[in-house]
Amino acid sequence: AQRVTQPEKLLSVFKGAPVELKCNYSYSGSPELFWYVQYSRQRLQLLLRHISRESIKGFTADLNKGETSFHLKKPFAQEEDSAMYYCAGETSGSRLTFGEGTQLTVNP
Amino acid sequence: DGGITQSPKYLFRKEGQNVTLSCEQNLNHDAMYWYRQDPGQGLRLIYYSQIVNDFQKGDIAEGYSVSREKKESFPLTVTSAQKNPTAFYLCASSIAASGGGEQFFGPGTRLTVL
Repeated sequence: AQRVTQPEKLLSVFKGAPVELKCNYSYSGSPELFWYVQYSRQRLQLLLRHISRESIKGFTADLNKGETSFHLKKPFAQEEDSAMYYCAGETSGSRLTFGEGTQLTVNP
Repeated sequence: DGGITQSPKYLFRKEGQNVTLSCEQNLNHDAMYWYRQDPGQGLRLIYYSQIVNDFQKGDIAEGYSVSREKKESFPLTVTSAQKNPTAFYLCASSIAASGGGEQFFGPGTRLTVL
């Protein structure tokens, strides 16, 4: 079965420190992978997708097919990055399978 | 914010009652989805619809029902058969039913069974 896992439920870093949110997937073929973010009192929204290879708010994510990973990284965390982050993979049609989520806290 | 709305924001239900959650979108999106969000479990897909008058079960459809009579609307009914209905419910929509598109989420409805 196609599956996305985020091994860390909670992650805490200090402002200015690097941050990496882990995501592993088990998919057949070439998966379409995404990171979604939910800030406090805001809607869940797309942060980035792997096919566009973009950097959003300083975050990047590289698809590593050998390790079946899609980790989200930022070199210098900011307090406003504190949020719940979900990794998601696209299955048949337009269905998304979400990971369990990682709550990131950036301390001042 | 706008585009996709859910009502009500909070909903209380007595055990044994059915309840319907509303989801409306004015984005002209073909596909719509219902998710359940529980702490530590991420989002789990309940039902989805890729086109009007058609819908498919997701991973946890038991105890839920939906309809898609209009493109703009995708209501979710939580029936008395749902054993653990207290949760946060999210509705989403996307442009394409064929994949690759971003999903846009509503603000959610928190259902509490008393």
